[in-house]
Order: sequence, then structure tokens, then C-alpha cells
Amino acid sequence: EVQLVESGGGLVQPGGSLRLSCAASGFTFSNYNMIWVRQAPGKGLEWLSYISGNTAEISYADSVKGRFTISRDNAKNSLHLQMTSLRHEDTAVYFCARGVSTPDYWGQGTLVTVSS
Amino acid sequence: DVVLTQSPLSLPASLGQPASISCRASQSLVYSDGDTYLNWYQQRPGQSPRRLIYKVSHRDSGVPERFSGSGSGTDFTLKISRVEAEDVGVYYCMQGTHWPRTFGQGTKLEIK
Repeated sequence: EVQLVESGGGLVQPGGSLRLSCAASGFTFSNYNMIWVRQAPGKGLEWLSYISGNTAEISYADSVKGRFTISRDNAKNSLHLQMTSLRHEDTAVYFCARGVSTPDYWGQGTLVTVSS
Repeated sequence: DVVLTQSPLSLPASLGQPASISCRASQSLVYSDGDTYLNWYQQRPGQSPRRLIYKVSHRDSGVPERFSGSGSGTDFTLKISRVEAEDVGVYYCMQGTHWPRTFGQGTKLEIK
């Protein structure tokens, strides 16, 4: 059974940093592109970042470019999102998902709250 | 960026009656490989998104047959043949053809 479990969310002050993780199981992780998507409270879905299975390709939304860094550890079946210079508007539930053109499986999300 | 415009944004539906959601793209979603990467997701209250339809019309395993997707180019539709109570939630279209990937604003389906 495919499972994606995010962790690492929490309360952080503006300007702070946080590292999110996504633990994958039930499939050959290195064979799949992965993405991060977020959802601000009461709002819609926003695509953030993509990383290819072999890490050769990486892409970011303009809203997070230069502040967020996506990475993965295929040996540990894990995906990460390093977030720096956090702003109030980054407050959201962050989801990882499998696939980049037709994302199929999604995690349950982890809540990031940016507040002083 | 490709803008996906969904309508309606609010959909009061009657049990047992059909319902449909439109998703219009600001440019063609046909990729160079000939496929069209337009997907539909359902997000029930308090849950993560669940893929219902991928590449316009391919229904995911376990998705009831009452859900169907259609369309081409820039104009797409999600149809529910007979709405059931469990269909309550927000529905999003998403394009996987162009960078950055984008989502529609979401359509909230509720039971009348």
C-alpha cells in the first residue's frame, strides 16, 4: 500500500526556518517524481516544487523560489522541503504527492503556522 | 502561468441528480507527447486531495463509475451522473502540462 507521511510542521516566527519531511513507503521511491503542494487555511491548492526521481530536475513556484529547497534521499525513501525566510503568507498545510503531471497519492499534510 | 477557471465555484446539488463542473484553461493543455494532462481531485472536509480522473477522462481505480471526465484543448468537464451524500467536498482541476503546475480555484459541492 502506497503511503506518504509528512512531518516537521509547527509554529515558527516570521523570518524563521523549518524543514518538512515526507516518508514514503509501498512503492519504489526512486522511480517516481515527487512534488510539494500547500493549502492556506480555507483556500485552494498551490503547487510549490518538483524533484525528479534521480534529483536531476528541480523546479519551484515563483512564490517560494530562493527561499525553499526541495531534496530527497532515495536510500531513506524520504522527501524534504527546507523552508527559510518564512512569511505570514506561508501559513498552510503542506502536502507531498507522488508524480508531477498526474499526481496520484497524497499525504495527509503537515501544518505550518508562521506567526509571532 | 496557465490559469484554470472553474465554474461554478459553489454547486448546490440534489441527491440522485446529475452535476457538472467546468474547467477552462488559458491555453491548450495538449503536451508535446500528444497527451493532455488535466486531472480532477476531490477533497472531502478535513482530508487530503484524492485523484478521481487523470489525463482528462481516465477514472482512477476505486472511483465510482458515476464520475466521468471529458474535454479537450482548453475546455474540460467533470460530471457526476447521480450525486450521493459522500460526494460533498471541494473539487479541483489541475494541469500537469505546463510549468508551473496550476490548480483551479475549486468548486464546493454541497447537498441541497
